[in-house]
Amino acid sequence: ETGVTQTPRHLVMGMTNKKSLKCEQHLGHNAMYWYKQSAKKPLELMFVYSLEERVENNSVPSRFSPECPNSSHLFLHLHTLQPEDSALYLCASSQDPYRGLESFFGQGTRLTVV
Amino acid sequence: AQTVTQSQPEMSVQEAETVTLSCTYDTSESDYYLFWYKQPPSRQMILVIRQEAYKQQNATENRFSVNFQKAAKSFSLKISDSQLGDAAMYFCAYRSRTGGGADGLTFGKGTHLIIQP
Repeated sequence: ETGVTQTPRHLVMGMTNKKSLKCEQHLGHNAMYWYKQSAKKPLELMFVYSLEERVENNSVPSRFSPECPNSSHLFLHLHTLQPEDSALYLCASSQDPYRGLESFFGQGTRLTVV
Repeated sequence: AQTVTQSQPEMSVQEAETVTLSCTYDTSESDYYLFWYKQPPSRQMILVIRQEAYKQQNATENRFSVNFQKAAKSFSLKISDSQLGDAAMYFCAYRSRTGGGADGLTFGKGTHLIIQP
């Protein structure tokens, strides 16, 4: 247990559904991240929040919408997804990212789009 | 943009033996951080070891050590006295130090490590 909790662990959704992934950290960190892990591809950084402000958005389609209401919580809102969006979505947090300290990861949400 | 390459999709080693996982990276920066993360079947990414590019001394954590060759842009992980619990996916990752923002990690594709009893 790293102190980063993701819910749900598994999610199956249709292409017309709207769902949200939740991430919570109790480590007092000031930066949070969403990564996508697909089969046979490197982990891809999707979004970065630092001090609750989005600082990076790596050309992610608008059907993914992040939200960071406070430094402990991060959401990824999903709507009208495609089957190729099926993947493991990992949340991570870190303290003072400028000093290259390690990121702590959650266990991920396994998303299947049908 | 930085890239990280792990050329070994899968490695196998006998229990108690030593194994080395390879990682190379490409960057134009001189100051950065390198990491090895482990992802067991539970999917939790766990930090194994961390190296700061400005430090010449190779990092060591118990049975895990790295061979950091900055000029060659190489960052290999050596696992000594391999144990069954070491079986996992291992990811090499890069983070810029001068990115001017909350930079995330750039990962390689990973190496699946199998431990033979």
